[in-house]
Amino acid sequence: DAGVIQSPRHEVTEMGQEVTLRCKPISGHNSLFWYRQTMMRGLELLIYFNNNVPIDDSGMPEDRFSAKMPNASFSTLKIQPSEPRDSAVYFCASSFGLWGRDDSTDTQYFGPGTRLTVL
Amino acid sequence: GQQVMQIPQYQHVQEGEDFTTYCNSSTTLSNIQWYKQRPGGHPVFLIQLVKSGEVKKQKRLTFQFGEAKKNSSLHITATQTTDVGTYFCAEYVKTSYDKVIFGPGTSLSVIP
Repeated sequence: DAGVIQSPRHEVTEMGQEVTLRCKPISGHNSLFWYRQTMMRGLELLIYFNNNVPIDDSGMPEDRFSAKMPNASFSTLKIQPSEPRDSAVYFCASSFGLWGRDDSTDTQYFGPGTRLTVL
Repeated sequence: GQQVMQIPQYQHVQEGEDFTTYCNSSTTLSNIQWYKQRPGGHPVFLIQLVKSGEVKKQKRLTFQFGEAKKNSSLHITATQTTDVGTYFCAEYVKTSYDKVIFGPGTSLSVIP
């Protein structure tokens, strides 16, 4: 298995432009997570999906951010318009189930990340 | 709100020395996971702890879950340069929604 695939790996854009990040989860995984990592704020959960349905988007910073999962093998995170403070590494992760069942290990497998720089 | 504390924030050790990072939660946890992130890399799952007082070992790594399930520790015996990276604990929180919260991480440097 190729693991979680993210594209692009690096993105440099100018303030005000639209940015779309893409993720292909591991085949068979039912949950997908989007994270943002910065030095200041660490690793933050933005949103996660279970069976393609958004479960919790309370981590999405503001209306400029939106995420979709049209099918089990693809998700996007869009920022429109982008701002310099959005510069970060964005990780996508997937897992077989929803973490929380004591008798399971719903390991999250992270993709390589997209390093976004907004000038 | 829910907070996960990790100490220390940074640790520099001589190769061969031991290393310990601690994770503390403001509430009782159902379970906890530990991840490692190499510089420039992505978080990689290490282990999950579920039971009160649980101790698990992976070669030179020892993971422990506190009796009260409010804290956890990761201990590395005789560090090697391959241990360099940031170690995160992550807790699962069940409120109105299920939520995963990562600690701020402990960054380990190993001096050869």
